[in-house]
Amino acid sequence: GAGVSQSPSNKVTEKGKDVELRCDPISGHTALYWYRQSLGQGLEFLIYFQGNSAPDKSGLPSDRFSAERTGGSVSTLTIQRTQQEDSAVYLCASSQVTDTQYFGPGTRLTVL
Amino acid sequence: KQEVTQIPAALSVPEGENLVLNCSFTDSAIYNLQWFRQDPGKGLTSLLLIQSSQREQTSGRLNASLDKSSGRSTLYIAASQPGDSATYLCAVRPAGGSYIPTFGRGTSLIVHP
Repeated sequence: GAGVSQSPSNKVTEKGKDVELRCDPISGHTALYWYRQSLGQGLEFLIYFQGNSAPDKSGLPSDRFSAERTGGSVSTLTIQRTQQEDSAVYLCASSQVTDTQYFGPGTRLTVL
Repeated sequence: KQEVTQIPAALSVPEGENLVLNCSFTDSAIYNLQWFRQDPGKGLTSLLLIQSSQREQTSGRLNASLDKSSGRSTLYIAASQPGDSATYLCAVRPAGGSYIPTFGRGTSLIVHP
């Protein structure tokens, strides 16, 4: 079946604008993760969704970041009032709870 | 707090060599460990997943081992090829109910013809 997809693949925005990043997980996967990967840095965990449980938001760097997951499937990561330090690749992954994580291709965000 | 270290950070080898990538972690209370590869500008591709009760996993030319007590995992690549050039990352998922993995920073591998 289809893998994890993300859109857009690239996003260039101006400082102060809001952006929305989308993730379509593998059908049937109950767990969904968002990560951020900055140049020369490791993967930084942002947020985790599991089924209908309250998400684990412990990795969100500020209140400008939020995410939702509708109907246990598609997820949207929103960054409000973007800053230059938000420039990074945003990766989404899905899995069957404790199983292998499958990653999407990522969205490269550039804040000018 | 779990810390995951990957050594070396970068490696360049001639085609055909067998090589070993290392991943060490500070907290041995893990649920599983996963190895990924990442090609430039791409997402991560899962290579091998080792559960905490397992000692190793094999897939083709890849073999991953796990020694929980010493906090180490190794990824062995046999007969390396230029197509193996990528960054290899390991991720450790903790035991005890949290599903948030900790990633190493990766080993950047170049296999030259």
